[in-house]
Amino acid sequence: DTAVSQTPKYLVTQMGNDKSIKCEQNLGHDTMYWYKQDSKKFLKIMFSYNNKELIINETVPNRFSPKSPDKAHLNLHINSLELGDSAVYFCASSQGGGLAGAYEQYFGPGTRLTVT
Amino acid sequence: AQKVTQAQTEISVVEKEDVTLDCVYETRDTTYYLFWYKQPPSGELVFLIRRNSFDEQNEISGRYSWNFQKSTSSFNFTITASQVVDSAVYFCALSGNRDDKIIFGKGTRLHILP
Repeated sequence: DTAVSQTPKYLVTQMGNDKSIKCEQNLGHDTMYWYKQDSKKFLKIMFSYNNKELIINETVPNRFSPKSPDKAHLNLHINSLELGDSAVYFCASSQGGGLAGAYEQYFGPGTRLTVT
Repeated sequence: AQKVTQAQTEISVVEKEDVTLDCVYETRDTTYYLFWYKQPPSGELVFLIRRNSFDEQNEISGRYSWNFQKSTSSFNFTITASQVVDSAVYFCALSGNRDDKIIFGKGTRLHILP
């Protein structure tokens, strides 16, 4: 049983297109996250949701919009894709949420997005 | 501001050697959490350990051990008798007690040579 799953694993698309990445976790966790890992392997948080509520929203262009239909799912929609959006996007989940302190996060396998 | 520094960008050692990965952190929080994650060539991120700031005991798990020293703001990771399967990028990370945001270091790429 995959704990945190993402689809698709690979996504190749052209500049200007709109695309979505889906994430699901079956761990019963309250909080989910999106991270971006650039070509130098630098990992940076983009968003976090706790029980469908947006908690963390780092300085991410508003072309990126997370959507959480329920606490087991957190999708990432990207409008008007740019070359600089090429990266690996990781979804993660953790037990804690909000101001509850830090718990270990469990990551999905990643989605490699290539914008041409 | 919180910061994690992994000064070693890349390390290569021969199999069976011991290797230590350094991690230095900065935070103003009195309660905080430190983590290590492993990213093997397959790309997934694997949780290794979480340590809170009140627990300075060293931890050992098989060939892995961690040395947490608040006096030097360091949380170093040692692999004993390294194996080729240990080849990966290792990330040290820090989180305060105000939110669940984890700040990652830039990672250390470890090559274990057969």
